[in-house]
Amino acid sequence: KAGVTQTPRYLIKTRGQQVTLSCSPISGHRSVSWYQQTPGQGLQFLFEYFSETQRNKGNFPGRFSGRQFSNSRSEMNVSTLELGDSALYLCASRLAGAFAGELFFGEGSRLTVL
Amino acid sequence: QKEVEQNSGPLSVPEGAIASLNCTYSDRGSQSFFWYRQYSGKSPELIMFIYSNGDKEDGRFTAQLNKASQYVSLLIRDSQPSDSATYLCAVNIGTRYGAGSYQLTFGKGTKLSVIP
Repeated sequence: KAGVTQTPRYLIKTRGQQVTLSCSPISGHRSVSWYQQTPGQGLQFLFEYFSETQRNKGNFPGRFSGRQFSNSRSEMNVSTLELGDSALYLCASRLAGAFAGELFFGEGSRLTVL
Repeated sequence: QKEVEQNSGPLSVPEGAIASLNCTYSDRGSQSFFWYRQYSGKSPELIMFIYSNGDKEDGRFTAQLNKASQYVSLLIRDSQPSDSATYLCAVNIGTRYGAGSYQLTFGKGTKLSVIP
């Protein structure tokens, strides 16, 4: 079974630009979460989507947004990029249910902001 | 205040020894606890989860939970060089946000090095 697929894997942007990252979850997984990983802050929760609805959002500015499509694929967007947005952005999917299962992470999209 | 704390390490143990990784959390309402392993340049992968006080064993791994002390630990017996990685403790605080919500708060991880 295919894993979580994230595209692009690497990208370089300049300050002020915007970026869109894509995530295809494991087939059958309807929950998609996004995390930012940096050496200084570690893994930080951005948001979770389930059935095209954002269920909760982490402590990030409004420049960070996301959405989920009817096929459970998700995108996240960062507008007006800042140097501090340089990070590994990880998408994770899971089976939704009464006892939340494990998160399956994609390999991530590494964003460098110059 | 940080919600999940781990010693950053590095923690070095000889091959065959027991590696002990510790984690504390601040939210008493937390219900589920996870240990992820992350190899350098790779994404995290779940190795253990625990919901109830006490010990839970899976092969060479044992997770221990003490909710009264807000403490979670991971023991790795017979450590192997292939266990060298960063171990991330994670806590599900999703219950704050309503039923079905799922938000993991991660510690910054402990880097484990197993010396042959």
